[in-house]
Amino acid sequence: SAVISQKPSRDICQRGTSLTIQCQVDSQVTMMFWYRQQPGQSLTLIATANQGSEATYESGFVIDKFPISRPNLTFSTLTVSNMSPEDSSIYLCSVGRGNNEQFFGPGTRLTVL
Amino acid sequence: EDKVVQSPLSLVVHEGDTVTLNCSYEVTNFRSLLWYKQEKKAPTFLFMLTSSGIEKKSGRLSSILDKKELFSILNITATQTGDSAIYLCAVGGLFGNEKLTFGTGTRLTIIP
Repeated sequence: SAVISQKPSRDICQRGTSLTIQCQVDSQVTMMFWYRQQPGQSLTLIATANQGSEATYESGFVIDKFPISRPNLTFSTLTVSNMSPEDSSIYLCSVGRGNNEQFFGPGTRLTVL
Repeated sequence: EDKVVQSPLSLVVHEGDTVTLNCSYEVTNFRSLLWYKQEKKAPTFLFMLTSSGIEKKSGRLSSILDKKELFSILNITATQTGDSAIYLCAVGGLFGNEKLTFGTGTRLTIIP
């Protein structure tokens, strides 16, 4: 398994501000994933973060709104920029190991007022 | 675009009942189907299925895949209140470092 931590665990932010979420893994991984789960919805992949290259964004998500950093093989950040109430969600990072499942971090619950 | 649909959306049963959760999928290149349990924020892994007809079992939970009919079921026998959660189905690759496409989830509530 993988030990993943996320900071902050929750936050309440004002409209128009930005929040950076950190994801730390206990060992080196190639790929890190960022998901969003809006209230009452399932998980939607935002982007895949590969160390040493630009993140790959899914349809409907853009770098200006969700910039991602991946400075090394154990750490990544996701910034939610210029927030609106529609950005209120749980944000989750995940990593994969070998030929099995992805492990998810504990999540960040974001509320935008 | 890959599509995963789960049913029912929600289910309320009494403790001790058996439940069956459904997951159907449409993908261009199927490689694996995964089940997760989400109690608070982080989904926890239950099963990964790649072959048809082979049941995976863990305690009171079991799951099977039908690649011909493009669906999977998750069974929970002798349900307990601790089984109350959202159960998520996803399609993915053969390796953990491939993206997952999740279904809508089934919210299961177990009444004591």
